[in-house]
Formats: sequence, structure tokens, C-alpha cells
Amino acid sequence: EVQLVESGGGLIQPGGSLRLSCAASGFTVSSNHMTWVRQAPGKGLEWVSILYTGGSTYSADSVKGRFTISRDNSKNTLYLQMNSLRADDTAVYYCARWFGAPGYFDYWGQGTLVTVSS
Amino acid sequence: QSALTQPRSVSGSPGQSVTISCTGTSSDVGGYNFVSWYQLHPGKAPKLMIYDVSKRPSGVPDRFSGSKSGNTASLTISGLQAEDEADYYCCSYAGTYILWVFGGGTKLTVL
Repeated sequence: EVQLVESGGGLIQPGGSLRLSCAASGFTVSSNHMTWVRQAPGKGLEWVSILYTGGSTYSADSVKGRFTISRDNSKNTLYLQMNSLRADDTAVYYCARWFGAPGYFDYWGQGTLVTVSS
Repeated sequence: QSALTQPRSVSGSPGQSVTISCTGTSSDVGGYNFVSWYQLHPGKAPKLMIYDVSKRPSGVPDRFSGSKSGNTASLTISGLQAEDEADYYCCSYAGTYILWVFGGGTKLTVL
């Protein structure tokens, strides 16, 4: 059974850093394209970053230069390193597997809440 | 403001049908047949309901169907059931630079 479990969220001050983790089971992270999607309070979903199987990454303009997506193959885990956090980064962050070309998000985790506030 | 426009809420009685619209532009919904729909229950993992405009993943009831006309995609849920009450989001591929855009979400209430 495919399962994604996020962790690492919490309350952080503006300008701070946080690393989110997404532990996968039932499939191999490195053999799949993986993404982070977020939902700010009262807002819609927003795609954040993607890590392709080949190792290349791409991020939305809103987080480019501040957020870094990566993976640990030995732990079958996806990460999102978030630096220079701002209030508008407050959101529930979901990891999701991207399948197909150009594809869709076929499996998601339950999300982890990040609150950026002083 | 989300890139794709959805109604904020829709409602229907058990057994009825409802349709949720998702309006974009020729750069996303109208330009590609890669629209997907997701169901969000509070505190649970989002679930893929429809992909590639009208295809259903295994395990999704055939009460859920998708379609597209021009720049507007639609999700229709027939034979409404209480467990269908949730938020629904549409998503469209938008090219190699933007990749994906989402709608603002629609809250479905089963009366």
C-alpha cells in the first residue's frame, strides 16, 4: 500500500528555517517524480517544488531561491528545506507523487502545518 | 487569487447530481487535456478522483465523471452520498514553465 507521511511542521518566526520530511512506503521515491504542494489558510492549493527521478528540481517563483527539495534514497524520504520564511508561507504542506506525462498527483500525504509568525 | 476559477460552494440532496465547474484560459484548461480533480476531507490526505479530464483511477466510483469544453472543465457527481461532502479542487497542466495551476476549491455540501 502506498503511503506518504509528512513531518517537521510547526511554528517558526519570520526569517527562520524549517525542514519538512515525507516518509514514503509502498514505492521507491527515487523512481518517481515527487512534489510538494501547499494550501494556505482559506486559500486553494499551490504547487511548490518538484524533484524529478533524474535529480533535477524546479520550484514555483514564489519560493524559488528560498526552498530546496531533495531526497534520501536510503531512507526513501523526500525533504523540503525552507529558508527565509515569510508570513505568506504559512500553509499546510503536502507531499505528493507525480505520475505520468505531464501527469497528475496520484498519491498524497495528510500534510503538515507550517505557521510563520512572530 | 487562484489561477483557475471554481464556485466557492455547491450543494445537493442525497441521490441528486451536482456539477462543479473549473474555468481557466487557453494557456491551461483550454490548451491541454490534462485536467485532474482532487477530493479533500479535513485532516485526511487529498484523493485523486479524475485525471486527464475524464479518466477515473481504480477505486473511484463511476458516480464521478469529468468533462471539458473550451476553457472550462467540469466534475459531475451523480447519486450524491453523504461521504461525498468534501472540498474539491481542479488542477490543470499549464506548460513547461508554470507546470500546474489549481482552482480555489469548491465546498460540496450534501443536504
